[in-house]
Amino acid sequence: EPEVTQTPSHQVTQMGQEVILRCVPISNHLYFYWYRQILGQKVEFLVSFYNNEISEKSEIFDDQFSVERPDGSNFTLKIRSTKLEDSAMYFCASSPGTGSTEAFFGQGTRLTVV
Amino acid sequence: GESVGLHLPTLSVQEGDNSIINCAYSNSASDYFIWYKQESGKGPQFIIDIRSNMDKRQGQRVTVLLNKTVKHLSLQIAATQPGDSAVYFCAERNQGGKLIFGQGTELSVKP
Repeated sequence: EPEVTQTPSHQVTQMGQEVILRCVPISNHLYFYWYRQILGQKVEFLVSFYNNEISEKSEIFDDQFSVERPDGSNFTLKIRSTKLEDSAMYFCASSPGTGSTEAFFGQGTRLTVV
Repeated sequence: GESVGLHLPTLSVQEGDNSIINCAYSNSASDYFIWYKQESGKGPQFIIDIRSNMDKRQGQRVTVLLNKTVKHLSLQIAATQPGDSAVYFCAERNQGGKLIFGQGTELSVKP
């Protein structure tokens, strides 16, 4: 069964450092998303991406965040200068199109900023 | 602003019993309401959705009810099994595909 894969599963970084979280969405999907989940809290939307551009972003997704689809398979989230409060699980998701509500989530990357 | 919330943070049921998980939402403009299951250490997994113009939808062992009058969504799980133990999130989806999640209810199934 096709799945969304994320790497690494756990990333520890020092405050102020840049991190890149990587995702490989399901191959024929057209819509890509990043969400985050702070420990014990709900899943929060960060950004959606379609046709090589951001289609919607949340207030959390400030200038420190960026997304990229550098090739036909990868979808990345970059945090330029990490803060302690960026520590969370980051989930990538993809869906075939807005007509389908089923967004498929990856296993997540646990980001720990120290 | 937009918000989706859950009435209870935890729910404990006996194996074989039916479970009902509730959710309240505030944004009436959403076109779909969805239930996700999240097991420990994993990403959210789609369970079932319901379009905003419907009030009931059934899946395998699960039923979702939507009451737009009181902005209430519920998930019913029939014959709950130990494998159903997880955190359940309701979510609403806008036309762009963005999901707004509620806080989550942790379901524990006692054998």
